[in-house]
Amino acid sequence: GQNIDQPTEMTATEGAIVQINCTYQTSGFNGLFWYQQHAGEAPTFLSYNVLDGLEEKGRFSSFLSRSKGYSYLLLKELQMKDSASYLCAVRDSNYQLIWGAGTKLIIKP
Amino acid sequence: KAGVTQTPRYLIKTRGQQVTLSCSPISGHRSVSWYQQTPGQGLQFLFEYFSETQRNKGNFPGRFSGRQFSNSRSEMNVSTLELGDSALYLCASSASGQAREQYFGPGTRLTVT
Repeated sequence: GQNIDQPTEMTATEGAIVQINCTYQTSGFNGLFWYQQHAGEAPTFLSYNVLDGLEEKGRFSSFLSRSKGYSYLLLKELQMKDSASYLCAVRDSNYQLIWGAGTKLIIKP
Repeated sequence: KAGVTQTPRYLIKTRGQQVTLSCSPISGHRSVSWYQQTPGQGLQFLFEYFSETQRNKGNFPGRFSGRQFSNSRSEMNVSTLELGDSALYLCASSASGQAREQYFGPGTRLTVT
């Protein structure tokens, strides 16, 4: 079966750095996505990786290793507004998105 | 450009009833995907429509069905509602199924009593 694993919850301090990991086992691979979802709101797109390596976008970076079935989302200079759930999703060989259960990130002052 | 809209935003139904949810994608987007979201389960893929054709389907019973119209608007129908169908139903639109990004609507919160 297809599976995406990410930690259920993480806690970090304002101003610090946090890394959210995602491991996957899917039927084929056509890209990995990270989305942010604030409580009661719809998910919003953060990043997309299809080749190995690091993609940087402001305070957020996403890394992919296809051989290891592994990705991480790195958030720097954490702000209180970064408190949200972070969803990892992989597009499989049928171009269907398979989603992880999400990581709830709690930022403390 | 207007975002993805979903109606209604909130809905309360009783077991055994049926419900229809609507999704209007971003103008020009031809792909609409539907998801069910429950606490702890994450997003579960229901189906994807592209140019009025169902292109992908998740592992949901036949009580869940959908369709897409020529203007790309999509509807999702759930018949014979069960308590376990209580969830947030999200639709997402993209220019194509291979697009980098999906844009989500605000969702319809369905409560089955």
